[in-house]
Amino acid sequence: QKEVEQNSGPLSVPEGAIASLNCTYSDRGSQSFFWYRQYSGKSPELIMFIYSNGDKEDGRFTAQLNKASQYVSLLIRDSQPSDSATYLCAVRETDSWGKLQFGAGTQVVVTP
Amino acid sequence: EAGVAQSPRYKIIEKRQSVAFWCNPISGHATLYWYQQILGQGPKLLIQFQNNGVVDDSQLPKDRFSAERLKGVDSTLKIQPAKLEDSAVYLCASTALTSGGSGANVLTFGAGSRLTVL
Repeated sequence: QKEVEQNSGPLSVPEGAIASLNCTYSDRGSQSFFWYRQYSGKSPELIMFIYSNGDKEDGRFTAQLNKASQYVSLLIRDSQPSDSATYLCAVRETDSWGKLQFGAGTQVVVTP
Repeated sequence: EAGVAQSPRYKIIEKRQSVAFWCNPISGHATLYWYQQILGQGPKLLIQFQNNGVVDDSQLPKDRFSAERLKGVDSTLKIQPAKLEDSAVYLCASTALTSGGSGANVLTFGAGSRLTVL
């Protein structure tokens, strides 16, 4: 069973600080990795994706990928109360028709 | 561009009753997914269609769940008979990707259909 693991949280972050979210995956052949944000009672929305080792930045968000360690992370800089949500890590499985395997999500709470 | 449409948004039924959910993907999106998200968990894929064909239904409880995508556009997901553990949000998503090749596969989700089984 291919797995995607995340710490469930909640991760409490002071406003203006950096939130660091981690995700590990079991399928060594996975090539594409996604971070979705899900507000309570809402559907997931894509923040960013990454498929090359290293860092990828988009505004206040930075995704980091290390395929050798099977590890992907998301950094949120200058955290705002509006960043309070659950962050889902998703991995595109190998030998699949684009199927995404999701982790259980990390709840982030940004405190003013 | 219009998003993924789902209905109904909420449904409450008693166990052993049946329910159906409808999804209309983004226009032109060939691939459609139904995910089940139980409270506190990540979405779990139930079934994936490419056009009107099923490419993955390995996690669909086929004794009670069924899905179809006639004409490769709209899709319906049916549960009959429902069990208490089917209480969840049923998310429909679509993407323009049509193959299992490499590259990003960006899914766009609908608002979801929340099912409560009493």
